Amino acid sequence: QQQVKQSPQSLIVQKGGISIINCAYENTAFDYFPWYQQFPGKGPALLIAIRPDVSEKKEGRFTISFNKSAKQFSLHIMDSQPGDSATYFCAASMRGSSNTGKLIFGQGTTLQVKP
Amino acid sequence: ETGVTQSPTHLIKTRGQQVTLRCSSQSGHNTVSWYQQALGQGPQFIFQYYREEENGRGNFPPRFSGLQFPNYSSELNVNALELDDSALYLCASSPGQGPNTGELFFGEGSRLTVL
Repeated sequence: QQQVKQSPQSLIVQKGGISIINCAYENTAFDYFPWYQQFPGKGPALLIAIRPDVSEKKEGRFTISFNKSAKQFSLHIMDSQPGDSATYFCAASMRGSSNTGKLIFGQGTTLQVKP
Repeated sequence: ETGVTQSPTHLIKTRGQQVTLRCSSQSGHNTVSWYQQALGQGPQFIFQYYREEENGRGNFPPRFSGLQFPNYSSELNVNALELDDSALYLCASSPGQGPNTGELFFGEGSRLTVL
């Protein structure tokens, strides 16, 4: 119940195309859903995050769509660029003293954007 | 503004040995979390330190321990190393007690290989 399942494992997109990564969760106590981007040899960096009181959040070319009833959320990268080639992780966390600091990550999606 | 720094960047140990990894948090951040990232997997939460005390722990055995110092820097200690401990160890700092209260800023990690 603590898992966050992410798909696909890898994704190849042409430059200018739309990249879509999906995540699903079981625990309805999760109330914070960030996406992290990780380049080789670097630590993850926060890309965009959403809370369950909204269904969509957009920041530049990056959009999170959130479906509370289906317990699913997705990352859309519009006009994908070769510089977007990286590994993307969805994550979730919940409030409460026993969960402090704890982000539960998906397995990751390696995105390759071809020029 | 100095980001999260970790040392050493790479190290090799043998099974049964002990290791200490170090982390300097980002300026102004009083909370440090540690994550283990196995190859090809998402990071897994080990524990968090806030005001020099452990403040949340993931599903890791007691041979994983840590410290936080008055300047908010932190150490991760792993005793009786096992082959499965081979991973990238990530430190993340934040201005609040958990990801819900703010962004986690990750360092580039310490790559541990256990032979």
